[in-house]
Amino acid sequence: GAVVSQHPSRVICKSGTSVKIECRSLDFQATTMFWYRQFPKQSLMLMATSNEGSKATYEQGVEKDKFLINHASLTLSTLTVTSAHPEDSSFYICSAGLGSYGYTFGSGTRLTVV
Amino acid sequence: ILNVEQSPQSLHVQEGDSTNFTCSFPSSNFYALHWYRWETAKSPEALFVMTLNGDEKKKGRISATLNTKEGYSYLYIKGSQPEDSATYLCASFMEYGNKLVFGAGTILRVKS
Repeated sequence: GAVVSQHPSRVICKSGTSVKIECRSLDFQATTMFWYRQFPKQSLMLMATSNEGSKATYEQGVEKDKFLINHASLTLSTLTVTSAHPEDSSFYICSAGLGSYGYTFGSGTRLTVV
Repeated sequence: ILNVEQSPQSLHVQEGDSTNFTCSFPSSNFYALHWYRWETAKSPEALFVMTLNGDEKKKGRISATLNTKEGYSYLYIKGSQPEDSATYLCASFMEYGNKLVFGAGTILRVKS
């Protein structure tokens, strides 16, 4: 079946630094990938839709300069949290796939900014 | 604004019990309803994608129903087992939005 690999699974960084999270589709090509963020005890909130070869589509309230998304190939999308601050600490997860069969998710990244 | 609500927030049952939980969603512009199972330290796994009013899908001991007119879906687990312990997420796919909107999930814990 479809597999999405997400790295790293956990990262701790200092305030002011940038962190890159990778999401790879291992056995299929994904023209579109989705990036979600989850706050404790809340639902997965869509941050942006990553489109291969074009600009990402950001949801209302998500700063595109803060959360840089690059989808340079059909199998890789990256999310870079720039100049991270403690309030950016969260769980980030990506997904891809065919909507009619359900989406395939990565395993998520727990970001802690200290 | 689209709100997908799930209830209960959490559920503790004994092994062998049957259980069910609810997902409610706005019925206007409905396109599809997804159910996912999310075990700790793993990726969410798609269980069902449902589109038709009155649809019922089954996978082993798990089944789901869909009512698009009133905007709800039920997930049933028959004879719960400890390995069923997970967070169950539902998400509504809006036709014009082309994106999934998730509920907060129901946490199921099955005691042996």
